[in-house]
Amino acid sequence: QKEVEQNSGPLSVPEGAIASLNCTYSDRGSQSFFWYRQYSGKSPELIMFIYSNGDKEDGRFTAQLNKASQYVSLLIRDSQPSDSATYLCAVNNRKTSYDKVIFGPGTSLSVIP
Amino acid sequence: NAGVTQTPKFQVLKTGQSMTLQCAQDMNHNSMYWYRQDPGMGLRLIYYSASEGTTDKGEVPNGYNVSRLNKREFSLRLESAAPSQTSVYFCASSGRTSVMSASRDTQYFGPGTRLTVL
Repeated sequence: QKEVEQNSGPLSVPEGAIASLNCTYSDRGSQSFFWYRQYSGKSPELIMFIYSNGDKEDGRFTAQLNKASQYVSLLIRDSQPSDSATYLCAVNNRKTSYDKVIFGPGTSLSVIP
Repeated sequence: NAGVTQTPKFQVLKTGQSMTLQCAQDMNHNSMYWYRQDPGMGLRLIYYSASEGTTDKGEVPNGYNVSRLNKREFSLRLESAAPSQTSVYFCASSGRTSVMSASRDTQYFGPGTRLTVL
């Protein structure tokens, strides 16, 4: 079992719809959870991070964490064509002495005008 | 602040040639990382450095060496390039930050180096 798993997609949604991106992780000791966005040919950039169970909202983005189910998701409301990118889920387990972050393979999102 | 910078942006090598990828950050971060990204494989950690003077292997270290020259700079060396090392290489850093919207674990990435080994 891979440490961090995501559906590779592509996920296609119409403009204005809600895009739902999902991620599961295997290590129950994981403490920090991140969503990065990566446009084609560019480097990843942080969208959101979440530490506690529940929801965290930032503008059109909502991260949801359920540690019991080892599941983290990202909702994008009112999706725009500019949201078309690959979304990387990342998980940090601070049992190690450094900030080791494990990345999932990413989900490709396409927002259709 | 420039953030994380990488050189070169593109490179073509022949099998057996060597080269060094350079990375520097101006955010005073302790931790620095080298990743490679291949289609369908996501980001895979090659080496990391938790602090100046220390380096450790990541998931895919074979064929690479690193040097943490000082707190700012972390270089990646390919001693004898192979076609399997054709990839996009990203350097990243993380550490304490005054930015309220970020966390200590947030990784900041450089623009990447596209390497082709023929």
